[in-house]
Amino acid sequence: EDQVTQSPEALRLQEGESSSLNCSYTVSGLRGLFWYRQDPGKGPEFLFTLYSAGEEKEKERLKATLTKKESFLHITAPKPEDSATYLCAVHFYNTDKLIFGTGTRLQVFP
Amino acid sequence: EAQVTQNPRYLITVTGKKLTVTCSQNMNHEYMSWYRQDPGLGLRQIYYSMNVEVTDKGDVPEGYKVSRKEKRNFPLILESPSPNQTSLYFCASSPGSTNTEAFFGQGTRLTVV
Repeated sequence: EDQVTQSPEALRLQEGESSSLNCSYTVSGLRGLFWYRQDPGKGPEFLFTLYSAGEEKEKERLKATLTKKESFLHITAPKPEDSATYLCAVHFYNTDKLIFGTGTRLQVFP
Repeated sequence: EAQVTQNPRYLITVTGKKLTVTCSQNMNHEYMSWYRQDPGLGLRQIYYSMNVEVTDKGDVPEGYKVSRKEKRNFPLILESPSPNQTSLYFCASSPGSTNTEAFFGQGTRLTVV
């Protein structure tokens, strides 16, 4: 069964303390991997799409990378405004559905 | 402004009373979908639509219906709501197939008592 697992569930960082979030998936053929940010009480907001192993995307303090089994969202020198839940979603080859992980809740303290 | 609009934002209803949650997008997107979000379970897809008059089941379709009569609208219908359908619901649209970025609505928090 296709599955998407995110770790850690929650992460507390001091402002400026860089770290990484992980998204791993069981492989039945990856068509695309997506990262979203979700603020409390709001809908997810698109960040990145990755399609093939070795691909990287960057936006401000965020950088997403992809291997054959997992993706990382690297956060460099985070600020309190980066606090949110980060969701990973995968589109597998044998389906038209998008499967989401349960997310990593990030809190950045000043 | 490009957006996905859901209504209502909050709804409390009683078991068995039919309800509809509306979803409309102004971006001319072909692909639309409904999700529910529950603590510890993440976002799970209920139904999706690749285009007008084309709908298909997601992972948790039981107890829900949808229709896609126009490209911009994709209502979610609960014919006989039950307490286990208490959840936070999101509508989303994408410009192409599943493999493109999705734009989400603000969510509808439904409580069934």
